[in-house]
Amino acid sequence: DAGVIQSPRHEVTEMGQEVTLRCKPISGHNSLFWYRQTMMRGLELLIYFNNNVPIDDSGMPEDRFSAKMPNASFSTLKIQPSEPRDSAVYFCASRGRGRDISNQPQHFGDGTRLSIL
Amino acid sequence: AQSVAQPEDQVNVAEGNPLTVKCTYSVSGNPYLFWYVQYPNRGLQFLLKYITGDNLVKGSYGFEAEFNKSQTSFHLKKPSALVSDSALYFCAVRDIGGNTPLVFGKGTRLSVIA
Repeated sequence: DAGVIQSPRHEVTEMGQEVTLRCKPISGHNSLFWYRQTMMRGLELLIYFNNNVPIDDSGMPEDRFSAKMPNASFSTLKIQPSEPRDSAVYFCASRGRGRDISNQPQHFGDGTRLSIL
Repeated sequence: AQSVAQPEDQVNVAEGNPLTVKCTYSVSGNPYLFWYVQYPNRGLQFLLKYITGDNLVKGSYGFEAEFNKSQTSFHLKKPSALVSDSALYFCAVRDIGGNTPLVFGKGTRLSVIA
């Protein structure tokens, strides 16, 4: 059973460039979450979707960040233009359905390590 | 509002000794509680969860956690630590019936010394 798949695993780019991170959730899962992890701030929730609809994007740091989920099997997180302070590990997670959705764990991908020079 | 506190940034334990990683929580109603582990260059991996029933929950890799409602705690334990248990551990909570993301603690780094 494939887990959450993120690409690329590593991205190094110069500031000002557009960055697109990709996520394929576990098949059948209907909630998707984007997180950012840094040493200074730990794990931060950026945005999450239920049934492909963005529910809460209050964690998105600036308008330079945007996320889409065009269908149940794909999501993107885009940064345009990128800045050095965006350097972090970005994680995608998904959660399945169930009789009680609230007791379902979130399953994480292995992240994209982003470095903005 | 839901919140989780992991009071220790770092826990050191000798191999073979028992380990405990502490977690306390705050929710408005009854909680669902989770523990995750993160190894270097990997995502968070689900270890165990408390839903209802027995206060002692058993999970992966020999870990267990004890739910204590009066102390609002959910400490992670293992009877005999392994060097390979060295990792970052996260506690998380969600209200029963809530359709919201898990609220995570800041994480505790466990180092098991041979």
